[in-house]
Amino acid sequence: EIVMTQSPATLSVSPGEGATLSCRASQSVNKNLAWYQQKPGQAPRLLISGASSRATGIPARFSGSGSGTEFTLTISSLQSEDFAVYYCQQYNDWPPVTFGQGTRVEI
Amino acid sequence: VELVQSEGGVVRPGGSLRLSCAASGFTFDECTMHWVRQTPGKGLEWVSLISWDGESTYYAESVKGRFTISRDNSKNSLYLQMNSLRGEDTALYYCAKGGQSGPGSHLYMDVWGQGTTVTVSS
Repeated sequence: EIVMTQSPATLSVSPGEGATLSCRASQSVNKNLAWYQQKPGQAPRLLISGASSRATGIPARFSGSGSGTEFTLTISSLQSEDFAVYYCQQYNDWPPVTFGQGTRVEI
Repeated sequence: VELVQSEGGVVRPGGSLRLSCAASGFTFDECTMHWVRQTPGKGLEWVSLISWDGESTYYAESVKGRFTISRDNSKNSLYLQMNSLRGEDTALYYCAKGGQSGPGSHLYMDVWGQGTTVTVSS
């Protein structure tokens, strides 16, 4: 099973600033990586698939990069609605698909 | 595009529960479907996957032999039969639709249900 490790666990950012979230896989997942956003009391929402392709309706301030074992989600100029928990998920080697433990982006 | 889940419940250890998920707004019988659960301690954990036609199913090791995923394409519905429930199955369970954007896309989740709470306790 591929283990996904996200860092940092919590990121404190001011509105308008940028944020960089990291996700590392225990072995290569090529570009088969997705990012999700989860707000309190809500289900996760797909942001990025294929490591860098934004899902439908996702603002351009969200961007993903990386391949192999190292991935990054960048949020440029955080808006108030962006404060949430972010998860990465690998789908290269399955079953099972596996998730990281999440990064909380807080004010 | 919407997934609406049935209510969960409180079940005694060793008991059973069936979760349902009703799909609308997309062509259900073209989509892989998933169940994913979430706990404060373990985060998001993939539980099971079923192919568009129901012919192929996959399970996490933690639930294999106890949970059964199924679907009724005539009713646009997904199910999870959970037997021999344990305390560690206590979680918020989500049904989710697999993606449809090329090879491997069915393995990530582009639409999620609202979640249903399952509590296993005596």
